[in-house]
This record gives sequence, structure tokens and C-alpha cells, in this order.
Amino acid sequence: EPEVTQTPSHQVTQMGQEVILRCVPISNHLYFYWYRQILGQKVEFLVSFYNNEISEKSEIFDDQFSVERPDGSNFTLKIRSTKLEDSAMYFCASRKTAGGSYNEQFFGPGTRLTVL
Amino acid sequence: KQEVTQIPAALSVPEGENLVLNCSFTDSAIYNLQWFRQDPGKGLTSLLLIQSSQREQTSGRLNASLDKSSGRSTLYIAASQPGDSATYLCAVRLVNQAGTALIFGKGTTLSVSS
Repeated sequence: EPEVTQTPSHQVTQMGQEVILRCVPISNHLYFYWYRQILGQKVEFLVSFYNNEISEKSEIFDDQFSVERPDGSNFTLKIRSTKLEDSAMYFCASRKTAGGSYNEQFFGPGTRLTVL
Repeated sequence: KQEVTQIPAALSVPEGENLVLNCSFTDSAIYNLQWFRQDPGKGLTSLLLIQSSQREQTSGRLNASLDKSSGRSTLYIAASQPGDSATYLCAVRLVNQAGTALIFGKGTTLSVSS
């Protein structure tokens, strides 16, 4: 069964460094998302992406964050200068299209980001 | 602002018991509601999606109901098994927003003992 994949599974970085988290959404899906979950807290929406542009972003998604779909398969989240509070599990999700059961979002296994 | 609350925060039951997990949301103008399962340190596995026009959805031993007007959903798990032990999250998508982001509750952590 098709699934969303994410790499790396765990990333450790120093404060102030740039990180890129990678995701491969399900192949025929058109909508892509990043969420994060700080340890012990709720899953929070960061950004959604459709038709090669951001369709929605939350207050968390400030200028330090960017997303890109560099080719036909990858979807990346870049954090330019990491802060301690960026430590979290980052989830990528994808959705096929609009309407009915196609609204279901499928999540990847996550990347645990640790900022030291 | 939409708030999603899940009660109880944790639940322990013996194997074989039927149980109900609760989810409530403050804004009834939702597009759909999705239930997920999360194992410790792992990703989210989608269990059921209920459209706003639907009252319930079933998948195997799981049954999810939706009462949009009262802002409530329940996830019913029949004949619980130790393998059902996990955190169960509910999430809603609002109607009145341009995007399609999900708003999550904090989850109910279920422990089923053998």
C-alpha cells in the first residue's frame, strides 16, 4: 500500500544551523502538508502546499521556515536557523484531491529534530 | 478559534472490554473529522474519516460517530485487544478557512492489559 516516507528519521543539529527535512508524498497526491508535535503537546499545523505554492500557513511558520517541491516526488521543509524550541517531531502528510474520502490526509512516520 | 478536546486523557482497560473515546470541538462548522492512531515515537495512522454530512463510519472493530450540532464525536472500540494500546487522536478540518489544515486534540492514551 502506498505510504508517505520521510528522511531522516532523526536529525540532531546545533542551534543556528540550517536543516532540511525531506518527504516523499504518495505519488498521485496533490496536496502536501507539514505538521509538528513538540513532546507531550498537540500536533500543530505548519503549512499546506498545492500546485507548487503555499496555500495556507500557521503563525508558527515564520520567515525561518520554507517549503519546496524541488522535483516530482520530494517535498522539503527547511529551517534556516534552528532554535532550541524547534525541537519536535515533524510530520509530512499528503492528500489526493478534493471531495469525499479523498479528503483523508495520510501521514508519514515523522522526523525527530533535536536542536542542541 | 477552534478547540478540540479529548476526554479522558488516559484510559486503562482489560482485554475484551468495549470502550468509547470522546472528542469535542467548539466550532460546529467543520468539513470533516478524522481519527488517528499514534504509537509511541511513531507517525499517525489514519483510522476513520467522517464527512460533515455523515453520522458514522465503521472499520472492523472501530466505529466513529459524529454529532456536528453538539460538537462531538466518539470512537467506539469493540472487544479491545492489547494491540490496540496506543494514543488516539481526533482532528477536524474547518469549513470557514481557505486551506485544509487539520486541528488536533491532545489525544487519549489507551492501555489494554491481557
